[in-house]
Amino acid sequence: AQTVTQSQPEMSVQEAETVTLSCTYDTSENNYYLFWYKQPPSRQMILVIRQEAYKQQNATENRFSVNFQKAAKSFSLKISDSQLGDTAMYFCAFLPQGGSEKLVFGKGTKLTVNP
Amino acid sequence: KAGVTQTPRYLIKTRGQQVTLSCSPISGHRSVSWYQQTPGQGLQFLFEYFSETQRNKGNFPGRFSGRQFSNSRSEMNVSTLELGDSALYLCASSRTGISTDTQYFGPGTRLTVL
Repeated sequence: AQTVTQSQPEMSVQEAETVTLSCTYDTSENNYYLFWYKQPPSRQMILVIRQEAYKQQNATENRFSVNFQKAAKSFSLKISDSQLGDTAMYFCAFLPQGGSEKLVFGKGTKLTVNP
Repeated sequence: KAGVTQTPRYLIKTRGQQVTLSCSPISGHRSVSWYQQTPGQGLQFLFEYFSETQRNKGNFPGRFSGRQFSNSRSEMNVSTLELGDSALYLCASSRTGISTDTQYFGPGTRLTVL
């Protein structure tokens, strides 16, 4: 069974600074997908970024980028130029290729961006 | 395009009762997945439906059931409610339910069992 571990329950960062959220996972699969989801206090879960394991290039979406280390089974999220609206719970999630939508989530990291 | 909608947003029930939650996926999406979110266990997969068929099921007791209608709307039912069923129930939809598709989540239904 796959597991996802987020070792930082809470983090804080000053507005405009950069922060990195950690995620490690355990799987015997070779092909899979990794995701970062954001859940603001309003509770709507929003996809931030996704990474296909077969792609060596790290995914980037505007201020959000990942550092995907397949051998180390590590998938960290970097948020640059942090904004107050980035305050949220961030969940790392794993999905095996071909798996019918059974996302496996980490426990989450609560990120607070301070003015 | 309208997002995933869930009704009701809040529910209060007492132990032993049953409850039905509803999820309307994004138009054109045929896969609906359900997740339970609690502070202790985090987000856990309940089940996934595609074209009215349950394709995948998480490790939950038989009190948790679901179904999907021909218009892709889905309902989940919890019978004989227990205090531990208090949680945020999220549903997510995607076009085909295969891993290359992105899942879009609804706002959730907050269930409180007294």
